[in-house]
Amino acid sequence: AQKVTQAQTEISVVEKEDVTLDCVYETRDTTYYLFWYKQPPSGELVFLIRRNSFDEQNEISGRYSWNFQKSTSSFNFTITASQVVDSAVYFCALSEAFGKTDKLIFGTGTRLQVFP
Amino acid sequence: GAGVSQSPRYKVTKRGQDVALRCDPISGHVSLYWYRQALGQGPEFLTYFNYEAQQDKSGLPNDRFSAERPEGSISTLTIQRTEQRDSAMYRCASSLSRGGGNTIYFGEGSWLTVV
Repeated sequence: AQKVTQAQTEISVVEKEDVTLDCVYETRDTTYYLFWYKQPPSGELVFLIRRNSFDEQNEISGRYSWNFQKSTSSFNFTITASQVVDSAVYFCALSEAFGKTDKLIFGTGTRLQVFP
Repeated sequence: GAGVSQSPRYKVTKRGQDVALRCDPISGHVSLYWYRQALGQGPEFLTYFNYEAQQDKSGLPNDRFSAERPEGSISTLTIQRTEQRDSAMYRCASSLSRGGGNTIYFGEGSWLTVV
């Protein structure tokens, strides 16, 4: 069965600190996709990144970076020099590659609070 | 439209009433999903449409929940005889097509409160 675990329920940092959000997944598929979504206080769910299981290259987008390690089944998300606007709940999710749908299996989320 | 649009954004209903939640996906998106998100939890899959065909309803909790997408565009999620445990945010999402890890774009959600 597929499962996503985000062990950190809540993280608090002060502005400009770096912070890493952990995501560990379980799947029996050899091909799959991993995602991160951001849910700001307004409630919408905003897509951040998609990564397929064949691409273990780390990715950087501005202050955001993602570290995918297949050997440890982890897909961690780092925010560098955090800002107050980064305060949100962040969800990691997994989908199978060859199923009849792209349905996502979400973790329970990590609430990040960035204080000024 | 530019994004996934859901209505109503907020709905308060009395226990036992039926509610209908509407979703208008991104124009041209073939795949449409409904998810439910309880407070403090991640979204949980309810059902999936490919065009107008409901291809997966494995996440619907019981037969009080149903969904349709008659013309392959707008979808309605209906909850009959609502119960307090149905209170949650209901999210609609769409993607361009199925398979291959397409990015799924979510709407702002419909908050349902059953009193």
